[in-house]
Amino acid sequence: GNSVTQMEGPVTLSEEAFLTINCTYTATGYPSLFWYVQYPGEGLQLLLKATKADDKGSNKGFEATYRKETTSFHLEKGSVQVSDSAVYFCALDYNAGNNRKLIWGLGTSLAVNP
Amino acid sequence: DAGITQSPRHKVTETGTPVTLRCHQTENHRYMYWYRQDPGHGLRLIHYSYGVKDTDKGEVSDGYSVSRSKTEDFLLTLESATSSQTSVYFCAISDGIGAGREQFFGPGTRLTVL
Repeated sequence: GNSVTQMEGPVTLSEEAFLTINCTYTATGYPSLFWYVQYPGEGLQLLLKATKADDKGSNKGFEATYRKETTSFHLEKGSVQVSDSAVYFCALDYNAGNNRKLIWGLGTSLAVNP
Repeated sequence: DAGITQSPRHKVTETGTPVTLRCHQTENHRYMYWYRQDPGHGLRLIHYSYGVKDTDKGEVSDGYSVSRSKTEDFLLTLESATSSQTSVYFCAISDGIGAGREQFFGPGTRLTVL
């Protein structure tokens, strides 16, 4: 079956620290991989994605590389800001009949202190 | 930002009462989704629609029904609300189901069933 496992939070960092949030997956076929972010009181929004092995998604200083050999899609940022405080969700998509569905990780809460 | 609104944004109701949540989009996207978000469970798909009057069940559909009579509106109904349906409900839309297609999320509805 398909599943996504991401590191548990909360993660607390100081401003300008390096961030890694681990995400691993199991999947049949060739899923696309996503990171979504949810700021307090808001809905989720796409942060970055990768659609095939070795692709790197990047946005707002965040990066993640689709690693088929380790079935991973770890999120990284070199220098976090207070405004990055949010919940981060890893997800994969897969074919499901007349739809393409998303499987979600449980989310990792990040708090960045000034 | 994708034009997605949800109403109401907050609702408190009593066990056994019917509740309808509305999702309205101005993007003319074909696919619409209802998720619930709960601590420790991440996001779980309740129902989705792949066109007007075309809907299907997600992974946690028991106790919920949906209707889509026009492209822009997707209604989620709890026929007889229970305390286990206390949650935050998110609507999402997508313009296709190809690999890597983004889902756009509404701001959410916080439902409390007493």
